[in-house]
Amino acid sequence: AQSVAQPEDQVNVAEGNPLTVKCTYSVSGNPYLFWYVQYPNRGLQFLLKYITGDNLVKGSYGFEAEFNKSQTSFHLKKPSALVSDSALYFCAVRDLGNTPLVFGKGTRLSVIA
Amino acid sequence: GAGVSQSPRYKVAKRGQDVALRCDPISGHVSLFWYQQALGQGPEFLTYFQNEAQLDKSGLPSDRFFAERPEGSVSTLKIQRTQQEDSAVYLCASSLKVLAGLTDTQYFGPGTRLTVL
Repeated sequence: AQSVAQPEDQVNVAEGNPLTVKCTYSVSGNPYLFWYVQYPNRGLQFLLKYITGDNLVKGSYGFEAEFNKSQTSFHLKKPSALVSDSALYFCAVRDLGNTPLVFGKGTRLSVIA
Repeated sequence: GAGVSQSPRYKVAKRGQDVALRCDPISGHVSLFWYQQALGQGPEFLTYFQNEAQLDKSGLPSDRFFAERPEGSVSTLKIQRTQQEDSAVYLCASSLKVLAGLTDTQYFGPGTRLTVL
């Protein structure tokens, strides 16, 4: 069965600094990877996804993620953090077959002015 | 509408009561998913519809949970005889294609926060 690990419950970054939110995954076949962001009292908003092709995926709001097959990782990155990026971030994976999307536990990002 | 909508946004139920949660997916989206998000956790899959057919209900935690999508658009998640452990945010998501389109993006509604007293 597939699984996702987000090793950090909380990430603190100063505004203007680069940010990284880590995600590792485990699947039996080829992974399809997603990042979502959740603001308070709101649903999950799609940021980006990796399906195939270029390992560097660019998404919404200046976010990008790098797929690394050998390290089974899909870390979320942004060159310059904004205070408004403060939210809860979820990594998710699904693999071949009729399987549902599996989410990590989430990482709370706090960007400090 | 522009996105997935859910109602009510908040629901407080006494233990033993039945509740019904509604989801309006994005117009034209074939697939609809329900997730349960406990406090401090990521969403967990409950069930999946392709049009009106419920193709996967493996995530439903007990037979007290029931979901339907009779006309292939609006869906209702019903919980009978609610228990305190049912307290969570219930998220609905829809996607344009069928589940076999594994790459398809799921778009989420704001959720219904259920509190069982």
